[in-house]
Amino acid sequence: GENVEQHPSTLSVQEGDSAVIKCTYSDSASNYFPWYKQELGKRPQLIIDIRSNVGEKKDQRIAVTLNKTAKHFSLHITETQPEDSAVYFCAASNSGGSNYKLTFGKGTLLTVNP
Amino acid sequence: KAGVTQTPRYLIKTRGQQVTLSCSPISGHRSVSWYQQTPGQGLQFLFEYFSETQRNKGNFPGRFSGRQFSNSRSEMNVSTLELGDSALYLCASSWNPGGEAFFGQGTRLTVV
Repeated sequence: GENVEQHPSTLSVQEGDSAVIKCTYSDSASNYFPWYKQELGKRPQLIIDIRSNVGEKKDQRIAVTLNKTAKHFSLHITETQPEDSAVYFCAASNSGGSNYKLTFGKGTLLTVNP
Repeated sequence: KAGVTQTPRYLIKTRGQQVTLSCSPISGHRSVSWYQQTPGQGLQFLFEYFSETQRNKGNFPGRFSGRQFSNSRSEMNVSTLELGDSALYLCASSWNPGGEAFFGQGTRLTVV
């Protein structure tokens, strides 16, 4: 089955700096890669996603890049703010396949220091 | 539009008991998935339902089961509870399998 590795497990940055979180996946059939943000005591919230027919996607200060050949994808957050502090999860799935399920990475605890 | 609703929010059960958790998806969403979240293991997939059929199941013992009703609401059941079942149980709904998945607030289960 699919296996998703996520790095780093913790990341501390200064406000205004950029943060990058990387994930690798094992199943070449995976074609949908969402990113979730989970603040303490709250539900995971979808912040951005990318499908395998696209190499990069941006939404304001957040961007995701996908390298299908290398089977890795990354989350980039620019101009970080204290409210970006949370746990971020990457995930992969074979969207539309008969075996759809999201396989998650173990998460990255991002701390943005004011 | 109402989000994904899970009930109850908190549960305390004794070892050996059973428990049923409920998930109401976003209106119009037909796919519901369940995940177990623990500090050590992250988010682990339990099962996924679409149109009342379980289409996919994770690596959990048979004590974990679920079902989906015709209105897309879903329940999961855990029988013969063990201390290790203590976790946050999250459900997520999407319009169709593979679509954007939206999570509920979760049910925090504590087994004592």
